[in-house]
Amino acid sequence: QQQVKQSPQSLIVQKGGISIINCAYENTAFDYFPWYQQFPGKGPALLIAIRPDVSEKKEGRFTISFNKSAKQFSLHIMDSQPGDSATYFCAAKSGFQKLVFGTGTRFLVSP
Amino acid sequence: DAGITQSPRHKVTETGTPVTLRCHQTENHRYMYWYRQDPGHGLRLIHYSYGVKDTDKGEVSDGYSVSRSKTEDFLLTLESATSSQTSVYFCAISPGTSGVQETQYFGPGTRLLVL
Repeated sequence: QQQVKQSPQSLIVQKGGISIINCAYENTAFDYFPWYQQFPGKGPALLIAIRPDVSEKKEGRFTISFNKSAKQFSLHIMDSQPGDSATYFCAAKSGFQKLVFGTGTRFLVSP
Repeated sequence: DAGITQSPRHKVTETGTPVTLRCHQTENHRYMYWYRQDPGHGLRLIHYSYGVKDTDKGEVSDGYSVSRSKTEDFLLTLESATSSQTSVYFCAISPGTSGVQETQYFGPGTRLLVL
């Protein structure tokens, strides 16, 4: 049973463009929402994370927006660069429970 | 990869043979996890450990067993490999499960092909 639904499956953007990856969840007990970035042949690495007490968190060109009432959170990538080309995973967890991952978005930035 | 090594990095085996994958960490983190990654499924938790000799099942534990006899090592065993276990296996570690300690750090992965 997939508890975190991620879309789109793949995304292509031109260099300098803005991209949005969306995730939706059902479990209102989730209280930690990280995004992981994975390059080919590598393990995932934490990119940015947010908790439900804030609606937005920004780190460099990456921003998480969080909508508690809609049970959705999104990753915004500004000024996309070829080096951002990777697979992005959203995830969620509650308390001492384990992380539940979305299915991933393959993101490609064209030069 | 945050002081995490996985071995082997690649393995080809035949259906019905036992396979053991090893995860070794140098961070002295308490928690260790085994995930499998498959297209269309993202990362799914197989088993995890919250201390030496303390383990528990994850979402997709059938056909897998684990052991942790030392803080630094977490072994994943496929008792009798099946083609459905062809996947990329990732080990992850974390110092804790709340606050800043809940960040999970992933190893480089093991690509397993079961023929």
